[in-house]
Amino acid sequence: AQTVTQSQPEMSVQEAETVTLSCTYDTSESDYYLFWYKQPPSRQMILVIRQEAYKQQNATENRFSVNFQKAAKSFSLKISDSQLGDAAMYFCAYRSGQVNFGNEKLTFGTGTRLTIIP
Amino acid sequence: EPEVTQTPSHQVTQMGQEVILRCVPISNHLYFYWYRQILGQKVEFLVSFYNNEISEKSEIFDDQFSVERPDGSNFTLKIRSTKLEDSAMYFCASRSPTPSTDTQYFGPGTRLTVL
Repeated sequence: AQTVTQSQPEMSVQEAETVTLSCTYDTSESDYYLFWYKQPPSRQMILVIRQEAYKQQNATENRFSVNFQKAAKSFSLKISDSQLGDAAMYFCAYRSGQVNFGNEKLTFGTGTRLTIIP
Repeated sequence: EPEVTQTPSHQVTQMGQEVILRCVPISNHLYFYWYRQILGQKVEFLVSFYNNEISEKSEIFDDQFSVERPDGSNFTLKIRSTKLEDSAMYFCASRSPTPSTDTQYFGPGTRLTVL
């Protein structure tokens, strides 16, 4: 079974600075997808960024980018120019790339609570 | 932009009562999911549903749980006889049928409180 580990329960960063959230995962599969979801105080789950394992290029979405190290099974999220609205719980998630019937669940890490210091 | 919606936003029930949580997935999506998050813990998969049948379920999803797509728009999660430990946030998610689109989009959640 796949596992996702987020070793930083809490992080804080000054507004406008850059912060990196860590995520490692364990899998025997070669094809899979990785995601970062944001959960603000409203508790809604919002997709931040996704990465296909077969792509070597790191995904980027505006101020959010990832550092995907497949051999190390590491998938960190970098937030540049941090804003107050970035304060939230961030969850890393894994999904198998084998698109079989019944093989689509997301496996989440325990989350990192990010605080933005004004 | 299309969104997944869930009702109610908060449900309070007595232990042993039945509850039905409702979700309206994004209109052209065909894959549906329920997850739950006990307060302070990680999000856990419950069940996935496609073509009017369950495609995968976790060990949490026991006989007390059931899912249904009663019409072309709603997707429901029923808990037959609620327990205190069922208190959690329940998230519905949906995904497009396009093979290249693997992202699950989540609704805002229903907070279930069992007293």
